[in-house]
Amino acid sequence: DAGITQSPRHKVTETGTPVTLRCHQTENHRYMYWYRQDPGHGLRLIHYSYGVKDTDKGEVSDGYSVSRSKTEDFLLTLESATSSQTSVYFCAISVTGHSTDTQYFGPGTRLTVL
Amino acid sequence: SQQGEEDPQALSIQEGENATMNCSYKTSINNLQWYRQNSGRGLVHLILIRSNEREKHSGRLRVTLDTSKKSSSLLITASRAADTASYFCATAGVMDSSYKLIFGSGTRLLVRP
Repeated sequence: DAGITQSPRHKVTETGTPVTLRCHQTENHRYMYWYRQDPGHGLRLIHYSYGVKDTDKGEVSDGYSVSRSKTEDFLLTLESATSSQTSVYFCAISVTGHSTDTQYFGPGTRLTVL
Repeated sequence: SQQGEEDPQALSIQEGENATMNCSYKTSINNLQWYRQNSGRGLVHLILIRSNEREKHSGRLRVTLDTSKKSSSLLITASRAADTASYFCATAGVMDSSYKLIFGSGTRLLVRP
């Protein structure tokens, strides 16, 4: 998985609780992404980072925030988890950040919000 | 907004047969990529085709792009059980931000031994 780890790999939480997912890379790539994958929707971009402290919203960013204080770590936070945020979350990295670049994906985090 | 739509949603073939899956999209693109996802794993990049290209090959993979029909196809020749996976197309729209990829909902391929 291209030097990308995600933690935790599985999490069950209750509605209303805060949740933080971590993506860690050893490749020193500048560009990092958070996606969610749901049946029938493919992958949808939540947030994107183009450098330390530089982030931008994706198409489904409501209810999520991110932080990137180091090149290697990109954190995704659900401030108050809802059942609609039950999903599989994938982190990805790329070298140039351009759409022609290959994105390398982590193994995913399966989150269940009860 | 959903850009790429794969067809069929699921495909079951015998080992050794060819597998063809299609991706249709709505707006003009700069490029289109195909990714594979094995069960419980992250996506793995397979191949990229640019809007000015019509066909590309990579090993047993052949990708075509028809911009007039806004569609692409992925052909896997002489399939193997290890090809069992979900396959996704991802498009980079001309009007989208340069980093943005829109993923389709995927085709689930089962290759029977």
